[in-house]
Amino acid sequence: QTVVTQEPSFSVSPGGTVTLTCGLSSGSVSTSYYPSWYQQTPGQAPRTLIYSTNTRSSGVPDRFSGSILGNKAALTITGAQADDESDYYCVLYMGSGMVFGGGTKLTVL
Amino acid sequence: QVQLQESGPGLVKPSQTLSLTCTVSGGSISSGDYYWSWIRQPPGKGLEWIGYIYYSGSTYYNPSLKSRVTISVDTSKNQFSLKLSSVTAADTAVYYCARGVLRFHGMDVWGQGTTVTVSS
Repeated sequence: QTVVTQEPSFSVSPGGTVTLTCGLSSGSVSTSYYPSWYQQTPGQAPRTLIYSTNTRSSGVPDRFSGSILGNKAALTITGAQADDESDYYCVLYMGSGMVFGGGTKLTVL
Repeated sequence: QVQLQESGPGLVKPSQTLSLTCTVSGGSISSGDYYWSWIRQPPGKGLEWIGYIYYSGSTYYNPSLKSRVTISVDTSKNQFSLKLSSVTAADTAVYYCARGVLRFHGMDVWGQGTTVTVSS
């Protein structure tokens, strides 16, 4: 079965820039996988940030951007803020379903 | 503004069937622009896609759960439902329903989630 890979954890300084990635255990991620990104804080439902590689969901600040970097999908956060400290999940569309990555725990310190 | 709300029993006995409903308000479940998903999150773990359904009734399921999952839609009630059979403690999780945007293949609106515990 396809495994979607994400960094387990990452840290960024307040005001800094961080790029989280989303890859495949076998093969490269392209726009054909329609990568999407979700933010989740403890005890809360996920919040949609990005879908279809780089389309921001309604109300999401432009500090959050999506792209393809090399063979992976990427979520870049610029000007990191304290309330960006969350878990971030990517999802890849597989044609007849979708697969979540394991998530990245982002610490802002 | 579309809102989704999950409902159903919070406690299910092992080997029984888990049944949840997601009620859609502020929009029609019959729109061809969307699909309707179930996702779950075991305690302390990541999100797992369970499956989704189009308003037409076409369904797609996670291969690892496919033999136990049924998702259905009731357009007259603007609801869709999840049934998961033969549950075990491993099915204990927060269950979310979500709306997917067909042209983006991603979810844009989520329910708040409901906790289901499998225990005797």
